[in-house]
Amino acid sequence: KAGVTQTPRYLIKTRGQQVTLSCSPISGHRSVSWYQQTPGQGLQFLFEYFSETQRNKGNFPGRFSGRQFSNSRSEMNVSTLELGDSALYLCASSLRPLAGDSQETQYFGPGTRLLVL
Amino acid sequence: EDKVVQSPLSLVVHEGDTVTLNCSYEVTNFRSLLWYKQEKKAPTFLFMLTSSGIEKKSGRLSSILDKKELFSILNITATQTGDSAVYLCAVDRSSNTGKLIFGQGTTLQVKP
Repeated sequence: KAGVTQTPRYLIKTRGQQVTLSCSPISGHRSVSWYQQTPGQGLQFLFEYFSETQRNKGNFPGRFSGRQFSNSRSEMNVSTLELGDSALYLCASSLRPLAGDSQETQYFGPGTRLLVL
Repeated sequence: EDKVVQSPLSLVVHEGDTVTLNCSYEVTNFRSLLWYKQEKKAPTFLFMLTSSGIEKKSGRLSSILDKKELFSILNITATQTGDSAVYLCAVDRSSNTGKLIFGQGTTLQVKP
């Protein structure tokens, strides 16, 4: 079974531009979460989607947004890029949101490394 | 505020050594604690611990959770250079959010 895939893998943008990152979850997985990883802040939760609905959002400004399609693929968008948005953006998928007594866990994609100049 | 703290932040050992990585947490509605290994890119799942005192083991890696003292350890015996990575600890809460709270990670370097 193919893993989580993310495109593009690397991206260079300039301040003020916008960017869209894509994530395809493991086949059959319907929950997709996005994380930002930086050396200073570590891994921080951005948002989570399940069945095309955003279920939770982390503490990020409104410039960060996302959506999920009916095939569970997800995109995240960052508008008006700032230098501090340079990071590794990781997508993780699971069959369903982490909850209850299931041994569900998230599987991460390879990430998209974004550099803002 | 929920937080997960890992220690040490970095560690350098030689092949064959045994290492113990620590993870302490303060979260509401704790459900499970997860360990991930991150080499160059994506974190890869190692263990999930939900019950206190039960040891999860996979080859040279093992982990145990103490829900009373709110910490977990990840133990690696007979370390190899391929164990060099960042080890991440994350806590999942039973609030049905899909959000994992990660620690800062421990960077392990195993020298030949």
